[in-house]
Amino acid sequence: AQKVTQAQTEISVVEKEDVTLDCVYETRDTTYYLFWYKQPPSGELVFLIRRNSFDEQNEISGRYSWNFQKSTSSFNFTITASQVVDSAVYFCALSEARTGNTGKLIFGQGTTLQVKP
Amino acid sequence: EAGVAQSPRYKIIEKRQSVAFWCNPISGHATLYWYQQILGQGPKLLIQFQNNGVVDDSQLPKDRFSAERLKGVDSTLKIQPAKLEDSAVYLCASSLTVGLRFFGPGTRLTVL
Repeated sequence: AQKVTQAQTEISVVEKEDVTLDCVYETRDTTYYLFWYKQPPSGELVFLIRRNSFDEQNEISGRYSWNFQKSTSSFNFTITASQVVDSAVYFCALSEARTGNTGKLIFGQGTTLQVKP
Repeated sequence: EAGVAQSPRYKIIEKRQSVAFWCNPISGHATLYWYQQILGQGPKLLIQFQNNGVVDDSQLPKDRFSAERLKGVDSTLKIQPAKLEDSAVYLCASSLTVGLRFFGPGTRLTVL
């Protein structure tokens, strides 16, 4: 069965600190997608990144970076020099990748990040 | 490009009452999803449509929940009768490409 585990329920940091959000996944599929979404207090889920299982290159986008390691089934998310606006709930998610089907998206429990000024 | 629209944003009802939520996906998106997000948890898929056909409704409590997507565009999700444990945010999402979903703002339902 597919499963996503975000062991960190809540993280609190002070502005400008770096913070890493952990994500561990389980799947028997050889082809799959991994995602990170941000859910600010307004409630809307904001897409951050999609990574397919064949692409293990790490990615950097501004202050955000992602580390995908198939060997440990992890897809961790790092925010560098955190800002108060980064305060939100962050979800890691896993999707099957069937041809012609967008697949079921399985979410982790979420990590609440609080960035204090 | 307009995003996924949902209404109402908030709804408070008493248990055993009925309620309906509406979703308008991004134009051209054939796949539409309804998710239930209980406080403190990640969203859980209730139903997935491809155009106006159901692809996956395995986690939809069919004794009380129903959903339709007439003409393959807008969708409504109904709960009848509501229970206390249905209190949650109901998120609608739509998708064009494999795996990439765009979410609406959600409807927060409180059942008293």
